Amino acid sequence: GESVGLHLPTLSVQEGDNSIINCAYSNSASDYFIWYKQESGKGPQFIIDIRSNMDKRQGQRVTVLLNKTVKHLSLQIAATQPGDSAVYFCALNSGNTPLVFGKGTRLSVIA
Amino acid sequence: EAGVAQSPRYKIIEKRQSVAFWCNPISGHATLYWYQQILGQGPKLLIQFQNNGVVDDSQLPKDRFSAERLKGVDSTLKIQPAKLEDSAVYLCASSLGLRGGGYSEAFFGQGTRLTVV
Repeated sequence: GESVGLHLPTLSVQEGDNSIINCAYSNSASDYFIWYKQESGKGPQFIIDIRSNMDKRQGQRVTVLLNKTVKHLSLQIAATQPGDSAVYFCALNSGNTPLVFGKGTRLSVIA
Repeated sequence: EAGVAQSPRYKIIEKRQSVAFWCNPISGHATLYWYQQILGQGPKLLIQFQNNGVVDDSQLPKDRFSAERLKGVDSTLKIQPAKLEDSAVYLCASSLGLRGGGYSEAFFGQGTRLTVV
């Protein structure tokens, strides 16, 4: 079955530093890997996704890396800002199945 | 473009009472999801609709939870009777729902925070 896990439940970084949030998964049949950001009192917001046939994808200040060999996914945020403080979830999609979410990592940015 | 709308934002009820949540998805989105998010955890799928048909309700506690999506647009999720462990945020999400299946980005509403006392 599918399972998604996060290495660290909390992460504190200094404003301006780079952040790296990690995620391990078990279902090697996953087609898409997605990162969501959830601020307090709000629903999850899409950040970036990556298809299983890719190993890297870049967005604005964010990069997602996929290592299928060790079933590991990471989200890198460059020049972390106070507005990046939130809980970050990785989620998996396999075919027609709904998204399966991990437990989340809380990112705190220290000004 | 308007997002996914949910109401109410907050609800407090006593155990054994009933409660209903409403969701209006993004216009044109065929797929609608209800997720339950317990404090400190990731969202867990309760039910998925494709238009007005149920695609997946395997994790819906059917003895107390029910959901419908009449006319393939708005949806309601009901809990009757509620238990203390039902305290959570109930998130509605929608996606285009591609023909032939496959992934399409899911957009979430702000959720309804339910407290059962």
